[in-house]
Amino acid sequence: DADVTQTPRNRITKTGKRIMLECSQTKGHDRMYWYRQDPGLGLQLIYYSFDVKDINKGEISDGYSVSRQAQAKFSLSLESAIPNQTALYFCATSRGGGSTDTQYFGPGTRLTVL
Amino acid sequence: AQKITQTQPGMFVQEKEAVTLDCTYDTSDPSYGLFWYKQPSSGEMIFLIYQGSYDQQNATEGRYSLNFQKARKSANLVISASQLGDSAMYFCAMREGPYNNNDMRFGAGTRLTVKP
Repeated sequence: DADVTQTPRNRITKTGKRIMLECSQTKGHDRMYWYRQDPGLGLQLIYYSFDVKDINKGEISDGYSVSRQAQAKFSLSLESAIPNQTALYFCATSRGGGSTDTQYFGPGTRLTVL
Repeated sequence: AQKITQTQPGMFVQEKEAVTLDCTYDTSDPSYGLFWYKQPSSGEMIFLIYQGSYDQQNATEGRYSLNFQKARKSANLVISASQLGDSAMYFCAMREGPYNNNDMRFGAGTRLTVKP
């Protein structure tokens, strides 16, 4: 079984709709992250959480919100989706503890906003 | 300012040959980590290899090695004996600081195609 899972894997929605993407992990990591990837580009950090009570904005947090329901669960919400939020979204986890810390990624959610 | 630069949008290599994917980075922090990830066409991000700024030796993981030239601020990925399954996007990433409280920044990626 995958250590980091994301649901849904694909989603098509309309402008103005509220969307939630969910991430679960069984790695026991404290830290979780949400990224987006636009076609032909690298990943950009949306939000990250170092523990259940710690939520931080990344470089592109506008238009997004998150919820860390438990150590193992981190959800990303688009309150009112717009077409330029069409992208591939990744959840990642890490153990923490220095610059050696490696992030492990989920399979991604492909979101299309019409 | 761009933290991570990958100057090769696309690369081709013949099966069984070695290939080098370039990555340069920009930081004034003496402590940082460099990472390479592989993204096959299926979309997942697969961690390949890590190099710490204080590591004395270049990192190696199987057929992957990292040519770390600190003074030049480069961290090139070398794949030896390329296989068809190596065809994918490859991303270089960096995290600054000793306490892992900073963002991981990614380059734009290099698409590698292995020819039979």
